[in-house]
Amino acid sequence: GAGVSQSPSNKVTEKGKDVELRCDPISGHTALYWYRQSLGQGLEFLIYFQGNSAPDKSGLPSDRFSAERTGGSVSTLTIQRTQQEDSAVYLCASSPRGLGSRTGELFFGEGSRLTVL
Amino acid sequence: KQEVTQIPAALSVPEGENLVLNCSFTDSAIYNLQWFRQDPGKGLTSLLLIQSSQREQTSGRLNASLDKSSGRSTLYIAASQPGDSATYLCAVGGSQGNLIFGKGTKLSVKP
Repeated sequence: GAGVSQSPSNKVTEKGKDVELRCDPISGHTALYWYRQSLGQGLEFLIYFQGNSAPDKSGLPSDRFSAERTGGSVSTLTIQRTQQEDSAVYLCASSPRGLGSRTGELFFGEGSRLTVL
Repeated sequence: KQEVTQIPAALSVPEGENLVLNCSFTDSAIYNLQWFRQDPGKGLTSLLLIQSSQREQTSGRLNASLDKSSGRSTLYIAASQPGDSATYLCAVGGSQGNLIFGKGTKLSVKP
């Protein structure tokens, strides 16, 4: 597609259930990021994938959070045993890779709004 | 640890005014700095990307400057319009390939 696509756009779940959020990056972009945006807060980095390298998971808030990226394209963020504090908008972004380790321009999806009751 | 601060948190101006949004960062060892716009309930739209070797970037009525040594960037919006109303986010890119975001400036331009 022309842009970064995320699904679902909205998800309401009960506390304790698992959820999966999907991100389709822009074709050809090798870098993929997940961020979380809570009400009134800035964007919180969660995880970063770059090509075939091991992902940077340093932002994942707990071991209930995990993400994978299959075939260097689509990514799934999984939250197990959801808690109310997990309620937020989860944003995915992709980027073409610049030279060396320079960060290229990021293109964001519309986000997946998660509400945990 | 890199920290990004944006001032002011909110700004309300009448249509037609020129305005400046400020962004500061604590670690000057950055690769680039990017300004985004976010409309309510939407994702982020990239406005300007400044590489560390650059001093400024311009796009239409927008001009962003970067002073790495002082850890500051400004976004200048000329002749503001009601359609410019949004939250503006600053993000700095480091050696790890990640972007660290500020909390944004919520801009309201009154007709």
